[in-house]
Parts: sequence; C-alpha cells; structure tokens
Amino acid sequence: DVKVTQSSRYLVKRTGEKVFLECVQDMDHENMFWYRQDPGLGLRLIYFSYDVKMKEKGDIPEGYSVSREKKERFSLILESASTNQTSMYLCASSPAAANIQYFGAGTRLSVL
Amino acid sequence: AQKITQTQPGMFVQEKEAVTLDCTYDTSDPSYGLFWYKQPSSGEMIFLIYQGSYDQQNATEGRYSLNFQKARKSANLVISASQLGDSAMYFCAMRGEMDSSYKLIFGSGTRLLVRP
Repeated sequence: DVKVTQSSRYLVKRTGEKVFLECVQDMDHENMFWYRQDPGLGLRLIYFSYDVKMKEKGDIPEGYSVSREKKERFSLILESASTNQTSMYLCASSPAAANIQYFGAGTRLSVL
Repeated sequence: AQKITQTQPGMFVQEKEAVTLDCTYDTSDPSYGLFWYKQPSSGEMIFLIYQGSYDQQNATEGRYSLNFQKARKSANLVISASQLGDSAMYFCAMRGEMDSSYKLIFGSGTRLLVRP
C-alpha cells in the first residue's frame, strides 16, 4: 500500500513564527504536492514538485515556500505564519505519468 | 478556465439504499480525466474511482460507479447499498489542462450522512 505520512496531525503556532510541515512517501513517487483545504473551497494547490530540488507554484503559493532535498520528503514552509493561514494542509504523491494522487492524513494548523 | 461544481453541500441516505452525488465540470481540453475521492472524519483523502474522457464505458469499482455523461459534462458518483462507513465528505476532481496536467482541480465537496 502507498503510504504518505505527514509529521503532525495538529499544530498550533503564533503569528510571525516560521512553520515547517513535513511529508514523507514510501513509494518512490516522482511527484509530490501540497494542498490547503478550506470549507466550501475544496482543495487548492499550493506547490508541486516533480523531482528532487524541482518545484512549481500552484494556484495559491503566496506566503509559502517548499523544499525537496530527497525524493521521499517534501516540506512546506510558512516563513512568517499569519492567521489567514489557519487551515487543513494535505500532502499527496503520485508516480510521474499517473494521475491518481495518494494523500496523507492532513495537518490541521491553527495560527493564533 | 477549468471548473468542478458540486451543488449538494450535504446529503442524507438510508443505510442499504443507493445514492447519487452530483458533479459537473467545465474544460476546453478534449482529453481529460475525472476522479472521485472520499474524505472520512480522519482527514485522509481516499481515491475511489477514475473516468477518462475517451473511456467508452462508465467506470465501476465495487459499490462505486461513475455515471459519465459527456454531452452534459457531468460525472456523478453512484454508491450502491450504502453503509454507515460511507458517511464522509466526497470530492469530485479533474485533471488539469495541457501544461497543468499534473494537478487536480477539486470541487467544494458533498457531505454524505448515512442513516441507520
């Protein structure tokens, strides 16, 4: 079974803090994704990576950055957390040529 | 621009009955893919079923089937013989167009509650 693991289920941070969300997949997938999920808006893509050290902006990259130093790990970074970044964050991975994405359990982030 | 529309924010169904969750889409790409995901309260998004735009038959996976009507641009999910464990959020999604084909575009979701 494909396994995508997000390091934290719940996080509470203060405004202005630097926040790291970690995601690890164990299926040697080339593609990895970070989404945020908000009620009534579905999932929106923040960043995408198709290879180590490669990244592409998604639909809502402002206020976020990413890091992919190893194939299995994709990190989402909030340089200076703000209250409007309170949300559910979902990581996903997929093989290079496949469309089906496999998701982690999500990290619910609250910024106070 | 691509768009996925799910017009049912919430639905109820009696256990053992069938239920249809609506999804309409908009795209200018002649080749596209449609997906359904389930999100239980635990948070994880679980892939259910996929339909390619050129597939001749409607996709089926166990109790899930996709009612694909290309001319109407609809891709409704049908769950037969509902179970209590089917209570969850359900998201319809579409593969991105052309240069964005790596990504999925999601609808706003439908919350399904199965009554015993």
